[in-house]
Amino acid sequence: GQQLNQSPQSMFIQEGEDVSMNCTSSSIFNTWLWYKQEPGEGPVLLIALYKAGELTSNGRLTAQFGITRKDSFLNISASIPSDVGIYFCAGLEEGGSQGNLIFGKGTKLSVKP
Amino acid sequence: DAGVIQSPRHEVTEMGQEVTLRCKPISGHDYLFWYRQTMMRGLELLIYFNNNVPIDDSGMPEDRFSAKMPNASFSTLKIQPSEPRDSAVYFCASSRDRGYEQYFGPGTRLTVT
Repeated sequence: GQQLNQSPQSMFIQEGEDVSMNCTSSSIFNTWLWYKQEPGEGPVLLIALYKAGELTSNGRLTAQFGITRKDSFLNISASIPSDVGIYFCAGLEEGGSQGNLIFGKGTKLSVKP
Repeated sequence: DAGVIQSPRHEVTEMGQEVTLRCKPISGHDYLFWYRQTMMRGLELLIYFNNNVPIDDSGMPEDRFSAKMPNASFSTLKIQPSEPRDSAVYFCASSRDRGYEQYFGPGTRLTVT
């Protein structure tokens, strides 16, 4: 089945630094979602994107739906220790089953105070 | 507003036993999803329902797995008989309308010995 390539797999950064991660697919997606998962909890929805080129912010988080509709980016500005967690991209493939979100493998973020 | 509720949070059982996981979706959400998360395979969609009707169960690993949604506020995922390879975190998620923005519960960590 379709796979999403999410990179990097992990990041170790200093508090205050900006973070950038991305997700790519081999086919066109209609929707991109970004989730954050903390240990022992379920993924929490951060941002949803529905149109090519769309740029959406949620506090220090900004995500973009790529123009080609085959990628998406998530940026975190001025990272803080509570940003630690695993960030997942997810998408709905064009022509795919309506509820069948495809998930990336995640980017594990560690922030050093 | 209560989120998705799952029970139990942790389950330890012996191989061959029946396991039942429970989920209460967010009120008003028409879609309900069951996922499994492991280190090796990441998040996998098992089955999803729309208006209490199973729509896509192609992700259910084998006949030992079954899911029901008797009403809009309750769903179960049953494994009978359980095997050690079923050990994973099982998430329930729900969404409104077309099922794009999915909201996850805290998960059930299942260990089969």
